[in-house]
Amino acid sequence: SQKIEQNSEALNIQEGKTATLTCNYTNYSPAYLQWYRQDPGRGPVFLLLIRENEKEKRKERLKVTFDTTLKQSLFHITASQPADSATYLCALDNGGGSQGNLIFGKGTKLSVKP
Amino acid sequence: NAGVTQTPKFQVLKTGQSMTLQCAQDMNHEYMSWYRQDPGMGLRLIHYSVGAGITDQGEVPNGYNVSRSTTEDFPLRLLSAAPSQTSVYFCASSHFRVTDTQYFGPGTRLTVL
Repeated sequence: SQKIEQNSEALNIQEGKTATLTCNYTNYSPAYLQWYRQDPGRGPVFLLLIRENEKEKRKERLKVTFDTTLKQSLFHITASQPADSATYLCALDNGGGSQGNLIFGKGTKLSVKP
Repeated sequence: NAGVTQTPKFQVLKTGQSMTLQCAQDMNHEYMSWYRQDPGMGLRLIHYSVGAGITDQGEVPNGYNVSRSTTEDFPLRLLSAAPSQTSVYFCASSHFRVTDTQYFGPGTRLTVL
């Protein structure tokens, strides 16, 4: 069966450390994978998109990797701050081309402690 | 630009009542989608539209209707509300394809008693 899994429901780290969030998938062949941030009571906000032919993408303190062999994406926040505390969602296209849909993981709730 | 707007923000219904959740975007995006978000389930696609007059079903379409008469508006209708439809509903728009970067609205929290 097809699955997308974010391995940790919650991740607690100390301010200044690097947070690493994992997104694994099975039986999909996505052309790209996206990461979103969601704050309580708000809609998700797009952060980064990485394509299948890209190994790594960076944006300020954020880094995403995409390993299509392992069927895994890692999302890193370096020098984390309490303001980074939120739920992070990964999403992939289900490979349906123009008829495709986005499939979202359940999210990882990140808490950064001062 | 307001982006994607949704009304109402909160709604309580009784079982069997009907209502329409409103969604509008001002980014001239062709693609719009409705998702529901439930604890432990993640975001699930209800219906989507690839342009005015064209809609299609997503993963969980039962009990919901949509229409798209203009590029800007994409309302979601609950025909006869059930407690299983208690959820947070998000409308989203995207530019180049349905699976492109999603611009989400602020959500509607719906409770069905």
